[in-house]
Amino acid sequence: DSGVTQTPKHLITATGQRVTLRCSPRSGDLSVYWYQQSLDQGLQFLIQYYNGEERAKGNILERFSAQQFPDLHSELNLSSLELGDSALYFCASSVTPGDGYTFGSGTRLTVV
Amino acid sequence: GDSVTQMEGPVTLSEEAFLTINCTYTATGYPSLFWYVQYPGEGLQLLLKATKADDKGSNKGFEATYRKETTSFHLEKGSVQVSDSAVYFCALSAPRIQGAQKLVFGQGTRLTINP
Repeated sequence: DSGVTQTPKHLITATGQRVTLRCSPRSGDLSVYWYQQSLDQGLQFLIQYYNGEERAKGNILERFSAQQFPDLHSELNLSSLELGDSALYFCASSVTPGDGYTFGSGTRLTVV
Repeated sequence: GDSVTQMEGPVTLSEEAFLTINCTYTATGYPSLFWYVQYPGEGLQLLLKATKADDKGSNKGFEATYRKETTSFHLEKGSVQVSDSAVYFCALSAPRIQGAQKLVFGQGTRLTINP
């Protein structure tokens, strides 16, 4: 157990739907990062939050949004889902990014 | 922008063989460098890291040295085991700018070790 908890582990949904992925960071970590892992795109950085504030944005689609709550857990919202959104979504947390991240085990999203 | 390039896989070796996975990077400033490992069905785990030039990171028999002159951070292991079969990712963390920082990953190298 890495200390970073992601739920759900698996999600199957239809095109056009909206889903919410949840992440609880490791105790004491203020930064949360979201990554998308697909076969053809590798690991793509989506967004970073630090202590409730958005700090960095990557290749995140407008249909996707995220937030970090006062208790530091984070949610990634994916809407108007397309087949191409099927991927593994990882959350990671850190105290300071220079020390590396701790990753959760991911949420596998399948859009049918 | 910042980028990481890894040797293409897949890599297949026999048990007890010597392993090298090449990694080179492009970054402004002085990034920290990392190797992560992903076992089937799991998230990424930090394998080792180096934060400045000439630092050597090591863990579980794996080693990598931060070479600023060649912008490289090659992963090595003297004698691999079947249990080392996984996907390996090289990554860099660019210097923090106004609190924003992210890891930039290479494309990953799949390693398979045969008994």
